[in-house]
Amino acid sequence: DQQVKQNSPSLSVQEGRISILNCDYTNSMFDYFLWYKKYPAEGPTFLISISSIKDKNEDGRFTVFLNKSAKHLSLHIVPSQPGDSAVYFCAASAQGGTASKLTFGTGTRLQVTL
Amino acid sequence: KAGVTQTPRYLIKTRGQQVTLSCSPISGHRSVSWYQQTPGQGLQFLFEYFSETQRNKGNFPGRFSGRQFSNSRSEMNVSTLELGDSALYLCASSWAGPAEQYFGPGTRLTVT
Repeated sequence: DQQVKQNSPSLSVQEGRISILNCDYTNSMFDYFLWYKKYPAEGPTFLISISSIKDKNEDGRFTVFLNKSAKHLSLHIVPSQPGDSAVYFCAASAQGGTASKLTFGTGTRLQVTL
Repeated sequence: KAGVTQTPRYLIKTRGQQVTLSCSPISGHRSVSWYQQTPGQGLQFLFEYFSETQRNKGNFPGRFSGRQFSNSRSEMNVSTLELGDSALYLCASSWAGPAEQYFGPGTRLTVT
C-alpha cells in the first residue's frame, strides 16, 4: 500500500523553464511534507518542507504547494537549471514532523535539458 | 560540520550470511533512522533510534535489527541474508525528530 505516490517516474524540462513535480498521499494523518533531491551515488538531500497549516512555502527557486483537500502537493522549480537534474522524492510525516518515520514516494527523475 | 558517514560503501555477501552496516550521524544529532532503497520501491523505513532506544519500526522481518550507541553511532544488522535484501541502505540523522533528516551516501549491499 503506497501511501505517498509520485505517479510520474520521469520529467524532462528545458533550462530556464518551470519544473513541476507532483505528489499525492492517501494517509490523512500526514501533516508534514518534505522534498528531497538525490544524485547518483549520493544520499538524498533535503530541499524544502511544508507543514499542513500552510499551503505554500518558498525557498529561493523552490516552492512547495500543498492542497490538503486533494491530498496533493507539488514542487515548483523556477527557473530550472541543468544542475537540478536528479531524482526527487516526496516524503510525509505524521505528528507535525516530530514522528520518527518518513514515508517516501518512489521518486521522479527530472532531466533539465539545454 | 562533517556529514553523515556510512561504512562500508559497498558490500557483497552470500545468501545465508549476516551483515553489519555502520552509520555515524552528524555531531549533535541524536536521532538515527535507517531506510532501504530498491528500484521502483522508493525508500522504505526500517527503524529509528533515539538516545539508544528504538523509537519506531517499519514493516520489515525480524532479520533486520539495529542498535545505537551512547555516542549516537548506529549499526544495522541483517541476518540470514536473502537475494531480495540486495539494496541501497541509507542512514539519516536529525537533531531530535525525523523532519529534515540528513542522509549519508548509503551502503550498497549485493547478496549473491
